[in-house]
Amino acid sequence: DAKTTQPTSMDCAEGRAANLPCNHSTISGNEYVYWYRQIHSQGPQYIIHGLKNNETNEMASLIITEDRKSSTLILPHATLRDTAVYYCIVRVPRAGNNRKLIWGLGTSLAVNP
Amino acid sequence: DAGVIQSPRHEVTEMGQEVTLRCKPISGHDYLFWYRQTMMRGLELLIYFNNNVPIDDSGMPEDRFSAKMPNASFSTLKIQPSEPRDSAVYFCASSSGVYEQFFGPGTRLTVL
Repeated sequence: DAKTTQPTSMDCAEGRAANLPCNHSTISGNEYVYWYRQIHSQGPQYIIHGLKNNETNEMASLIITEDRKSSTLILPHATLRDTAVYYCIVRVPRAGNNRKLIWGLGTSLAVNP
Repeated sequence: DAGVIQSPRHEVTEMGQEVTLRCKPISGHDYLFWYRQTMMRGLELLIYFNNNVPIDDSGMPEDRFSAKMPNASFSTLKIQPSEPRDSAVYFCASSSGVYEQFFGPGTRLTVL
């Protein structure tokens, strides 16, 4: 699975959009980009995933560049409850037995009032 | 659904004691994962099961760690004997699809 690079920390004002970048320059054609987040003292929570098209759900939007070497997770109107560590993971969603997710250190997002 | 259930939520024990962590996955999920999280090493996969069968235990640190899944609704992670360096938060997660893993609240283990 391709390696990802994320900034260690970011700040965002409450009510503003939070844009979290992720570099995955060695991504291969069949690897998906996943985002999870971990709020303090809780287990990680799935947010969104995508292959090459932009994706949106009730939590966030995922923008993947045309060359797929980087992506951005967008929280359109950040709230204090969005303060968390955000993990970007790249892997092939195999239906077989290789279900390992490789977790980096993520980006610690602080949403400030 | 109640989500993934883990017990106990907190465990404090002394070095050398046996520790058993428990997990109940979401009903219908056929994959179960055990993770360990520390400040130094982040989130590490220890072992995962598919249909109650261990598939990959390459992350289990040493023979003191063992995991079982006797049926589809229950799994245990045992440490015997425990050591201070085993202090961490242990997460259980389950999944059915290929995209999303659902995590439990974790067990915070402190070994004195």
